[in-house]
Amino acid sequence: NAGVTQTPKFQVLKTGQSMTLQCAQDMNHEYMSWYRQDPGMGLRLIHYSVGAGITDQGEVPNGYNVSRSTTEDFPLRLLSAAPSQTSVYFCASSYWDRNKKGWNTEAFFGQGTRLTVV
Amino acid sequence: AQSVTQLGSHVSVSEGALVLLRCNYSSSVPPYLFWYVQYPNQGLQLLLKYTSAATLVKGINGFEAEFKKSETSFHLTKPSAHMSDAAEYFCAVTPLQGAQKLVFGQGTRLTINP
Repeated sequence: NAGVTQTPKFQVLKTGQSMTLQCAQDMNHEYMSWYRQDPGMGLRLIHYSVGAGITDQGEVPNGYNVSRSTTEDFPLRLLSAAPSQTSVYFCASSYWDRNKKGWNTEAFFGQGTRLTVV
Repeated sequence: AQSVTQLGSHVSVSEGALVLLRCNYSSSVPPYLFWYVQYPNQGLQLLLKYTSAATLVKGINGFEAEFKKSETSFHLTKPSAHMSDAAEYFCAVTPLQGAQKLVFGQGTRLTINP
C-alpha cells in the first residue's frame, strides 16, 4: 500500500491563480481530511469527508473547496489563490472500525504539499 | 471549544538527557489525546495515543506520556534523548471517539545537542 499520496510536493502560484491539490489513498478509508500547517499555529482543519459524496467544513474553510466523488480521492481546490494561503497542506485519512463501532483513533498523513502564493 | 497548548515552541536537550515536552488541553468532556512527530520534510507520524484506557501510555521510539485529568495535561517524556529524536512534536485532541477532527497544539521543535 502506498498509503496517502499528495501531489504536487511543491507549488508556486501567483495571486489570483487557481489550482487543485491532489490527495489519494489506497487503504479504502472512509474518512479523509485536509489540514494546513503554519508556523506557530500547528495544523488546522480545512475540510473533511466521512465518505463519498459527503463533505463538511473544518476550522478554516474560507477560500477552499472540496469534493469527494470516490472513496480514494479528496482534492482541495483553491479558486483564487491569495498570499495568506501560503502554507504546507496535509491530507489525512482514517477508517470506521466495525469491531469497535467507531472511528479508528489514528489518522494517516500524507507527505504534504508546500504551497507559496506570490 | 477545545484547545491544546504546548508550552515551549523550542526545546533543546543534550544527547542522553531527559526529554519533557509539555501539553495541556481544555475539554468539557474526556478527550482522546495524541502525540504526533514530524521529521524534516515529512508528514506526521503517530507517536502514541490516549483513549481512556491506561493513563500511562507507551509509544514508539521509547516515548511515553501520562494523562493527568486533574491537571488537564498529557506531557511527553523520554528518559534518554537520541540524536534521531530531533523533530517537531505536536500534541492533539479530539473530543469524540476517534472522530478525527483533530485540534493541534502549536508544536514544539526538539533539538538534540551532542
